[in-house]
Amino acid sequence: DAGITQSPRYKITETGRQVTLMCHQTWSHSYMFWYRQDLGHGLRLIYYSAAADITDKGEVPDGYVVSRSKTENFPLTLESATRSQTSVYFCATTKVDRADGYTFGSGTRLTVV
Amino acid sequence: GNSVTQMEGPVTLSEEAFLTINCTYTATGYPSLFWYVQYPGEGLQLLLKATKADDKGSNKGFEATYRKETTSFHLEKGSVQVSDSAVYFCARSYNTDKLIFGTGTRLQVFP
Repeated sequence: DAGITQSPRYKITETGRQVTLMCHQTWSHSYMFWYRQDLGHGLRLIYYSAAADITDKGEVPDGYVVSRSKTENFPLTLESATRSQTSVYFCATTKVDRADGYTFGSGTRLTVV
Repeated sequence: GNSVTQMEGPVTLSEEAFLTINCTYTATGYPSLFWYVQYPGEGLQLLLKATKADDKGSNKGFEATYRKETTSFHLEKGSVQVSDSAVYFCARSYNTDKLIFGTGTRLQVFP
């Protein structure tokens, strides 16, 4: 089915471990985004990508790495997880015309213990 | 800078009450404005949008008008239902390809 999917839905990891969150979209939209959602902060942009092999930092990029070797995938890696990275992570995508608005995945709830 | 400010929640209403959730934005450039809704355990869904001044976005009984003179995009609904209980996010575009979100307002509707 067409859409945007995130995996895993839930993840518990230990401090210092590397963890990768996956995001896949079936529309071949140019833009993809990673946000984190925290109480009192709303959604904050971590990284975004305008096309394959083009990525850029958002508001809170420290501690995260992204790649975009294929248009449909945009994985987010926490190189060495910290407790402050406990959050709900949302991937989103949009066509070039951002006035259409974003389509979001269902989110990944990450807990770092 | 670019920012969006929403009223703090939770907003608690009885069914069929009138709803207003305030949203103001910084006036940098000519942004598009959006309201997103997040139901429990789900991702955000686009509720409505407006791309230029005086535009009115509407969907599912919700409305919001792009007011350039007051830099506002308040969300309204004439008669809320229990099923409207969710978190509502106001957002504006910037730099042509990104959105910045408000902190969200939780709406709780009781029968």
